[in-house]
Amino acid sequence: AQKVTQAQTEISVVEKEDVTLDCVYETRDTTYYLFWYKQPPSGELVFLIRRNSFDEQNEISGRYSWNFQKSTSSFNFTITASQVVDSAVYFCALSEAGSGSNYKLTFGKGTLLTVNP
Amino acid sequence: DTGVSQNPRHKITKRGQNVTFRCDPISEHNRLYWYRQTLGQGPEFLTYFQNEAQLEKSRLLSDRFSAERPKGSFSTLEIQRTEQGDSAMYLCASSLVSGIPYEQYFGPGTRLTVT
Repeated sequence: AQKVTQAQTEISVVEKEDVTLDCVYETRDTTYYLFWYKQPPSGELVFLIRRNSFDEQNEISGRYSWNFQKSTSSFNFTITASQVVDSAVYFCALSEAGSGSNYKLTFGKGTLLTVNP
Repeated sequence: DTGVSQNPRHKITKRGQNVTFRCDPISEHNRLYWYRQTLGQGPEFLTYFQNEAQLEKSRLLSDRFSAERPKGSFSTLEIQRTEQGDSAMYLCASSLVSGIPYEQYFGPGTRLTVT
């Protein structure tokens, strides 16, 4: 069965600090997809990134970067120079892509990030 | 706005009553998912539709829950004889059908409180 673990329940930083959110996953499929979503206080989940299991290249998008390491089953998310607007709950999610998959998402419990001014 | 919409946004009901939620996905999206999120937890999968066909139901979906997607457009989730444990945020998401899983776009959710 697939599982996503976000060991950090809450993180608090001061604005402009860098912060890394950890995500470890378990799956028996060789083909799968990993996602990060942001849930601000308004409650709506916002898609941030999707990576497939065959692409371990790190990705950078503005102040956001993602580090995917298959050897350690991790897909960590770093925010550089954090801002107050980054305050939210961040979820890592996994979608198995084997035969007959419906691509449902399995989420971690989320990490509450608070960025203080 | 062409995002996923859900109605109502909030619902307070007494234990034992029936409730129904509605989800309107993004118009060209064939896949529709329902998830449930309780406080301090990530969303958990409930059920999935491809067009009008309900292709998977989680074991979280007891007999009191039923979902439909007539004509492959909007979807409804009904809970009969609500219990306090049903209190949660019910999220709907939609995505395109393809050989790869496109990202799921989530609606704002319906927050259910059972008193």
